[in-house]
Amino acid sequence: DAKTTQPPSMDCAEGRAANLPCNHSTISGNEYVYWYRQIHSQGPQYIIHGLKNNETNEMASLIITEDRKSSTLILPHATLRDTAVYYCIVSPSDSWGKLQFGAGTQVVVTP
Amino acid sequence: GAVVSQHPSRVICKSGTSVKIECRSLDFQATTMFWYRQFPKQSLMLMATSNEGSKATYEQGVEKDKFLINHASLTLSTLTVTSAHPEDSSFYICSAREGGGYTFGSGTRLTVV
Repeated sequence: DAKTTQPPSMDCAEGRAANLPCNHSTISGNEYVYWYRQIHSQGPQYIIHGLKNNETNEMASLIITEDRKSSTLILPHATLRDTAVYYCIVSPSDSWGKLQFGAGTQVVVTP
Repeated sequence: GAVVSQHPSRVICKSGTSVKIECRSLDFQATTMFWYRQFPKQSLMLMATSNEGSKATYEQGVEKDKFLINHASLTLSTLTVTSAHPEDSSFYICSAREGGGYTFGSGTRLTVV
């Protein structure tokens, strides 16, 4: 039973912002939203996570709606190296929380 | 940042033999580690949660006698695929929780011939 819904694929032009949506309408109050990406044949790479507030780091920004039922990952200036599968995951904040991956979004950045 | 080292990166074994994959947290202690399996063009599937000093917790449908997990120290968890068969060929990935995030190893490509 998928806890998140993402579009299966999206294209983005190099240098433009990439906005990746994620629906998590059944998210619980203690669950964080995590974003990871996986470049082909590598382990997933952490991007960002948040609970309620919008978050920003050197890689991306995470915008969470006020009702927390959806979020958007923003890659401000996409490069060819950002081509990857992006996973949006919700998981409890306690130490026993485990990450269950959905199908993710295949992002292809084109020149 | 937190680093998880996974070894080997690739392994080819004969059908019927066993293969051990190691997962180490290099600069932090991990009381809990996770093991995933990923088939081509599919997402990561959680196999089990590895707990230091206690038995692993397996996800539904994962054979605990086939996929032996040992987490004997705070920095090392091992996954042994016993009596491997071609259908066990897959990409195996470990993960450890550190602080508020999860760090993943680089994965092990297992090919059973």
